[in-house]
Amino acid sequence: QVQLVESGGGLVKPGGSLRLSCAASGFTFSDYYMSWIRQAPGKGLEWVSYISTSSTYTNYADSVKGRFTISRDNAKNSLYLQMNSLRAEDTAVFYCARDRMVRGGIDYWGQGTLVSVSS
Amino acid sequence: EIVLTQSPGTLSLSPGERATLSCRASQSVSSSHLAWFQQKPGQAPRLLIYGASSRATGIPDRFSGSGSGTAFTLTISRLEPEDFAVYYCQQYGSSPRTFGQGTKVEIK
Repeated sequence: QVQLVESGGGLVKPGGSLRLSCAASGFTFSDYYMSWIRQAPGKGLEWVSYISTSSTYTNYADSVKGRFTISRDNAKNSLYLQMNSLRAEDTAVFYCARDRMVRGGIDYWGQGTLVSVSS
Repeated sequence: EIVLTQSPGTLSLSPGERATLSCRASQSVSSSHLAWFQQKPGQAPRLLIYGASSRATGIPDRFSGSGSGTAFTLTISRLEPEDFAVYYCQQYGSSPRTFGQGTKVEIK
């Protein structure tokens, strides 16, 4: 079965950096786009970024463009999100998700990892 | 950016009743690239509907989606106790992908 397991969240000071990871299993990772979505405490869902199968294409929400970098390692079945210049408003649970793009959108989500940005 | 507006914000219903949730887009959603997700407290969202009307794998047939263009609906024909949750619509046809703000279906 499809499994996505995020890690790397934690408490970081404003201006700091954090790298999230997502370990995928149960499907052919290299066949799928992957996305990151976040949810601030008590708030709704916000799409953050996606990456194509071979890393050729990436896309970011304006709120994180220039600060966050998505990447993947198909040999390790892993997705990453490098987050720099973190702000208090980046505090959220970050989910990785399998993305079928126009063939059906996001279909599986991980359980999420909490990122807290506070001094 | 396509803005999705969900209504109502909260729906108070009893088990066995019908739930009708609305999602309106500020621009036409291309090729009905619209999905519905269910989220329960402390859990990740779960895909219910994609392509505006296609049920995801394992989703009971009491869930149905309809609509096109700028108006979409999620209907739960008879609410079961496990259906009380928050529901989000999302468009994935244009960038940036956007979500609605959610509709909470609560027990009356």
